[in-house]
Amino acid sequence: AQTVTQSQPEMSVQEAETVTLSCTYDTSESDYYLFWYKQPPSRQMILVIRQEAYKQQNATENRFSVNFQKAAKSFSLKISDSQLGDAAMYFCAYSAYYGGSQGNLIFGKGTKLSVKP
Amino acid sequence: DTAVSQTPKYLVTQMGNDKSIKCEQNLGHDTMYWYKQDSKKFLKIMFSYNNKELIINETVPNRFSPKSPDKAHLNLHINSLELGDSAVYFCASSRGLGEQETQYFGPGTRLLVL
Repeated sequence: AQTVTQSQPEMSVQEAETVTLSCTYDTSESDYYLFWYKQPPSRQMILVIRQEAYKQQNATENRFSVNFQKAAKSFSLKISDSQLGDAAMYFCAYSAYYGGSQGNLIFGKGTKLSVKP
Repeated sequence: DTAVSQTPKYLVTQMGNDKSIKCEQNLGHDTMYWYKQDSKKFLKIMFSYNNKELIINETVPNRFSPKSPDKAHLNLHINSLELGDSAVYFCASSRGLGEQETQYFGPGTRLLVL
């Protein structure tokens, strides 16, 4: 069974600084998708970034980028120029490309990010 | 306009009651999902529907039953509520499953069973 592990329950960053959130996963599949979702205090789940496993190039979305290491099964999120509005729970998620669990998002336990002014 | 909406946002009820949570999406998506987020913030898939057919049914109690009157709606019915059902329930939708599409989440429904 696939699993997603976020080893940092909480992280803190100074405003305008850079922070990296860690995520590792376990799967025997070669094709899959990885996501980072953000959940602010409002509870809304917001997609931050996604990565297709078959793509070697790391995904980027403005200040958010990932370091995808397929062999190491690692998928970290880097937030540059951190802003107060980045404070939230961040969830790493995996989704299979094929099979009965296709489309099923498997989440890590989350990392709570605090941003200090 | 809200893409994925859920009602109610908060639900407080007694043990043993039956309740429903409604979900609607106006994105024209074919697939809808229900997730449960427990008190420790852990999110887990419960169900998904594609073109009105249940395609994933994780090991949830049969007290939980999803019902989809049409492609835009996936309601969650819960019978004989238990204390352990207290959680935040999220509805989500995606365009399809053929190529993993981004899932868009509703605002969540906080259920408290007393």
